[in-house]
Amino acid sequence: NAGVTQTPKFQVLKTGQSMTLQCAQDMNHEYMSWYRQDPGMGLRLIHYSVGAGITDQGEVPNGYNVSRSTTEDFPLRLLSAAPSQTSVYFCASRGYLSTQYFGPGTRLTVL
Amino acid sequence: KQEVTQIPAALSVPEGENLVLNCSFTDSAIYNLQWFRQDPGKGLTSLLLIQSSQREQTSGRLNASLDKSSGRSTLYIAASQPGDSATYLCAVNINYGQNFVFGPGTRLSVLP
Repeated sequence: NAGVTQTPKFQVLKTGQSMTLQCAQDMNHEYMSWYRQDPGMGLRLIHYSVGAGITDQGEVPNGYNVSRSTTEDFPLRLLSAAPSQTSVYFCASRGYLSTQYFGPGTRLTVL
Repeated sequence: KQEVTQIPAALSVPEGENLVLNCSFTDSAIYNLQWFRQDPGKGLTSLLLIQSSQREQTSGRLNASLDKSSGRSTLYIAASQPGDSATYLCAVNINYGQNFVFGPGTRLSVLP
């Protein structure tokens, strides 16, 4: 089992560019989510999904888009990058009421 | 709105000490609570998961307790080691979906 994988590990964007952060899990988990971690702000939920075809907004969804076409994959799209989106992004997955597993993170810098 | 706090923000102890990390949450309507460890520049590693119906969970030198009515959880680390140095975060699951609310973490340093 690879667990939760994320690509890329590092990314530098210019303001206005778009990109997709990839997340995949091989544990057949129904629940997947995206968080961002900022100094002094802790981990905040961006979007989450409770199964293929079902997504919902978390605490800080603005500027991000998600889709869940398969159980395994949950990509996060930045539509038009802004410096405020400079952060470390974590993807996580879990089964129903079970342990949450995190990916290694993507460190994003927006210039 | 659910809020999670952790005390202390940072802790430095000599090797071998037993220590307690605290987590408090404002709304007792939780499904479960999870403790994580995060090493610098790394992702989060799950340590213990306590369901709302449970009072405590143990794994090796770690013991986590949960008191829903008072909105508190503690993580007890026995016989601390330098390898325990990391940031410890607690998170509460506030609905059946993926809505976890995280605390800010406690940064632990165990000195040899």
